[in-house]
Amino acid sequence: QSVLTQPPSVSGAPGQRVTISCTGSSSNIGADYDVHWYQQLPGTAPKLLIYANTNRPSGVPDRFSGSKSGTSASLAITGLQAEDEADYYCQSYDSNLSGPWVFGGGTKVTVL
Amino acid sequence: QVLLVQSGAEVKKSGASVKVSCKTSKYSFTGYYLHWVRQAPGQGLEWMGWINPNSGGTNYAQKFQGRVTITRDTSISTSYMELSSLRSDDTAVYYCARERELFFDYWGQGTLVTVSS
Repeated sequence: QSVLTQPPSVSGAPGQRVTISCTGSSSNIGADYDVHWYQQLPGTAPKLLIYANTNRPSGVPDRFSGSKSGTSASLAITGLQAEDEADYYCQSYDSNLSGPWVFGGGTKVTVL
Repeated sequence: QVLLVQSGAEVKKSGASVKVSCKTSKYSFTGYYLHWVRQAPGQGLEWMGWINPNSGGTNYAQKFQGRVTITRDTSISTSYMELSSLRSDDTAVYYCARERELFFDYWGQGTLVTVSS
């Protein structure tokens, strides 16, 4: 059971917009800790996609965007492309846990 | 370009220990904390612990306390993660990752550790 809750899967046709939610609690996202997102292509290591809620590292396309409100955050992918088919993980920091770097369970994005 | 290159796959018997290395390059090794994260087959990411390469100080997730040891060798910009008393549910890909402001900006390629009985 992950500390941060994500839907197991989302899907969309090429060109569509999909969103992935990440729900936490008052000890992590609600405590004003930032949310970060990682993309994991099959058989590869996670790659930083969004940091500090809304920021894209250099090289990440602007069709990826992040937001945060209250105890939740979201990742949006607009103009979905076949190469976006991957697992996506949210991550934050939890002040109540002895293992404070916490992840969501991951969301599989399928491009139909 | 920042690089984190990990050692190769390992197969271990239950009860044994494994030591995985993470060699870094193209940045100041002592300037960033290094973390270790694992991923069991078909599962999500699980944080294990970190090391401050400058001081050698460490912090481990409670789940792994007493079984995991993270060390570093500053002369070769390398961190090590040793996990002891291996069980079948320790079978996973183990990643090292560089921390920047509570997130991970660079990751190693991963090391598959398979524990067999």
